[in-house]
Amino acid sequence: AQSVAQPEDQVNVAEGNPLTVKCTYSVSGNPYLFWYVQYPNRGLQFLLKYITGDNLVKGSYGFEAEFNKSQTSFHLKKPSALVSDSALYFCAVRTFNAGNNRKLIWGLGTSLAVNP
Amino acid sequence: DAEITQSPRHKITETGRQVTLACHQTWNHNNMFWYRQDLGHGLRLIHYSYGVQDTNKGEVSDGYSVSRSNTEDLPLTLESAASSQTSVYFCASSPDNDIYEQYFGPGTRLTVT
Repeated sequence: AQSVAQPEDQVNVAEGNPLTVKCTYSVSGNPYLFWYVQYPNRGLQFLLKYITGDNLVKGSYGFEAEFNKSQTSFHLKKPSALVSDSALYFCAVRTFNAGNNRKLIWGLGTSLAVNP
Repeated sequence: DAEITQSPRHKITETGRQVTLACHQTWNHNNMFWYRQDLGHGLRLIHYSYGVQDTNKGEVSDGYSVSRSNTEDLPLTLESAASSQTSVYFCASSPDNDIYEQYFGPGTRLTVT
């Protein structure tokens, strides 16, 4: 079955420290991987994606993610966390189904808290 | 500026009533999606549309319906609201050339009593 997992419900980091939010996936074929962020009482916002090419992709707000095919992971990273990064982060992967089917499978989300 | 809006933002209704949640986007996107967000379940796809007159069921479509009569709107109807449909509902849209980069509305918090 195709799936995406975010093994940590919550991540706590101190402001200025590096942060990592983990994501692993299971899909057939080459994965298309995505990170979205949800600030309180808002809709989700696209952060970055991996389709092909360089394993390290850069996105909005200083975030980056590293695609690791052998570990089937796509962890979100930032070198220096800000209090304003505190939010809910979702990893998603494109499904591969028969027919013209273009949907995303979503992880359950990881709540990031950056402490001053 | 282009945007995607949802209305109402908050709704309280009674069990058995029909409820319609509106979604309107000015991005001119062909692709539109309805999700529900519940604690412990993340985002689950209810219905989606790839263009006018096209609608498709998602993973949790029972009790919901949509119609797509124009590019801008994809209203979500709960035929007979149930307490299990208490949730936060998000509408999203995306362009054909980047379907997975979805633009989300602000959400509608629905409570069924």
